[in-house]
Amino acid sequence: GENVEQHPSTLSVQEGDSAVIKCTYSDSASNYFPWYKQELGKGPQLIIDIRSNVGEKKDQRIAVTLNKTAKHFSLHITETQPEDSAVYFCAASKNGGGADGLTFGKGTHLIIQP
Amino acid sequence: GAGVSQSPSNKVTEKGKDVELRCDPISGHTALYWYRQSLGQGLEFLIYFQGNSAPDKSGLPSDRFSAERTGGSVSTLTIQRTQQEDSAVYLCASSLTGYGYTFGSGTRLTVV
Repeated sequence: GENVEQHPSTLSVQEGDSAVIKCTYSDSASNYFPWYKQELGKGPQLIIDIRSNVGEKKDQRIAVTLNKTAKHFSLHITETQPEDSAVYFCAASKNGGGADGLTFGKGTHLIIQP
Repeated sequence: GAGVSQSPSNKVTEKGKDVELRCDPISGHTALYWYRQSLGQGLEFLIYFQGNSAPDKSGLPSDRFSAERTGGSVSTLTIQRTQQEDSAVYLCASSLTGYGYTFGSGTRLTVV
């Protein structure tokens, strides 16, 4: 089955700086890669996703890049703000999940220092 | 509803008791998923429902776990004879297309 590794487990950055979180996956058949943000006491919230037919996707301060050959994908957050502090999870799946669900990384605790 | 609703939000139960966790998906979402999140861990996929079709139960941790979905909407996850290792946050998600899940806030289960 799929295996997703996520690094780092904790990331502390100064407010206004950029943050990068990296994930690798094992199953070359995976073609859908979402990122979720989880705040304390809440469920994960989808913030951006990418499919394997594109290499990069941006949404305001957030971007995701995908390297299918190397089987890794990354989340980039620019101009970080205090409200970006949360746990971020990457995930991988074939065709949106379905019967196999999403395989998640173990999460990155992002801390924005004022 | 506006989002995925889960109840109860917190449940403390004694070891050996049965518990039922409920999930109300977003209206019209045909896909429904259950995940388990243990302390400091990622999310573990448990089971998936597409409409009223019979689910693949192979992801459930043990035969003490069961799930059903009635009328293609509300779902319940039942854990029989709870054990301390069942303590976790149980998350439900729904989706219209299978992409871009919306998660509920979860049920925090504590087995004492």
